[in-house]
Amino acid sequence: GAGVSQTPSNKVTEKGKYVELRCDPISGHTALYWYRQSLGQGPEFLIYFQGTGAADDSGLPNDRFFAVRPEGSVSTLKIQRTERGDSAVYLCASSLTEGQGYTFGSGTRLTVV
Amino acid sequence: QKEVEQNSGPLSVPEGAIASLNCTYSDRGSQSFFWYRQYSGKSPELIMSIYSNGDKEDGRFTAQLNKASQYVSLLIRDSQPSDSATYLCAAGGSYIPTFGRGTSLIVHP
Repeated sequence: GAGVSQTPSNKVTEKGKYVELRCDPISGHTALYWYRQSLGQGPEFLIYFQGTGAADDSGLPNDRFFAVRPEGSVSTLKIQRTERGDSAVYLCASSLTEGQGYTFGSGTRLTVV
Repeated sequence: QKEVEQNSGPLSVPEGAIASLNCTYSDRGSQSFFWYRQYSGKSPELIMSIYSNGDKEDGRFTAQLNKASQYVSLLIRDSQPSDSATYLCAAGGSYIPTFGRGTSLIVHP
């Protein structure tokens, strides 16, 4: 596609529920990144995919967070047993190759109530 | 821990002036440096990337890098009200840049 597409744009969920956030990167971009951003903060790295594999998942805060990219294009970030502290904007970005600047999607605003 | 420091601001400049935004980073192994602009409620947008010491100009924007001082700056010439946004600095090693908290810029008419 022309840009990085993220769905849904907004998600409100109850504490303890499971959520999935979807990212469709720019066609041909092999590098895909997930970040999350809280108000007044810079984006915080979560996980990086090169192709289908997670090249670096060191930013995932705990084992409730998991992400996949099975065919090397669309990625899904999965959060189990959501907590109120998970509330943030989850940003997906892609780049043609690693080391380049990113194109960010418009983000998913997750609110856990 | 890799850190990128920015003054949160706000930095307020009059229309037509030069806005100077600064950033320092802790990881001496950083090789790539980026400036992103983020409007309120929107996602970051890449405006400049710089990889070697010196200046890089693109239109009204100039990025400056000094690796010895671990310092990156962004100059915006002829600032416009539409430049009012938060500017995020990012510094990276091989592939995962660390972002600063951003500097809020206000350009007033």
